[in-house]
Amino acid sequence: AQSVTQLDSQVPVFEEAPVELRCNYSSSVSVYLFWYVQYPNQGLQLLLKYLSGSTLVESINGFEAEFNKSQTSFHLRKPSVHISDTAEYFCAVSDLTTNAGKSTFGDGTTLTVKP
Amino acid sequence: NAGVTQTPKFQVLKTGQSMTLQCAQDMNHEYMSWYRQDPGMGLRLIHYSVGAGITDQGEVPNGYNVSRSTTEDFPLRLLSAAPSQTSVYFCASTTGFSYNEQFFGPGTRLTVL
Repeated sequence: AQSVTQLDSQVPVFEEAPVELRCNYSSSVSVYLFWYVQYPNQGLQLLLKYLSGSTLVESINGFEAEFNKSQTSFHLRKPSVHISDTAEYFCAVSDLTTNAGKSTFGDGTTLTVKP
Repeated sequence: NAGVTQTPKFQVLKTGQSMTLQCAQDMNHEYMSWYRQDPGMGLRLIHYSVGAGITDQGEVPNGYNVSRSTTEDFPLRLLSAAPSQTSVYFCASTTGFSYNEQFFGPGTRLTVL
């Protein structure tokens, strides 16, 4: 079984400031790691994912996340946020071995970007 | 491709009523799941399916039934609605070829009075 802990439930930040959303996970087997974003009144959509290889993964809109196996973390960062980044962000893991198509999600972090 | 579609978008029920939330996907994904989203609790898995005719319980299955007669459809039934089932419900699908990346529907906002 896996678990995901998002260490901050709410992160307020000013526009153009850097931000880090923290995610730790626990699993007895290897996992895939994901960050999803949910804009107000919408479904979740994939932001980025770590499958294997380079531990630093990037999204098309400037977010990046680094997989740290020793610390079992997958923190999400952006060097300069925009108002449009205001959303809820979910970290998720998926078990490679059982492959039942399930994912375990964290409780979410609400990012609020203020002008 | 429409992706994952859900109907209805909004629903209000009275305690004790039953209803079915519809979910369909046109990506030929073998895996489908139902999640509920409540404030501060993230997404919790209700039921999931690994293929037509095969379903299993997730973290919070009580009060819900599912079936999967086709690859495309995965309806969620509320047998006797309770106020505790007020939530936003998301259907998702995935495939092993996408490394279990979840593709979500737009959600159904359900209120039980």
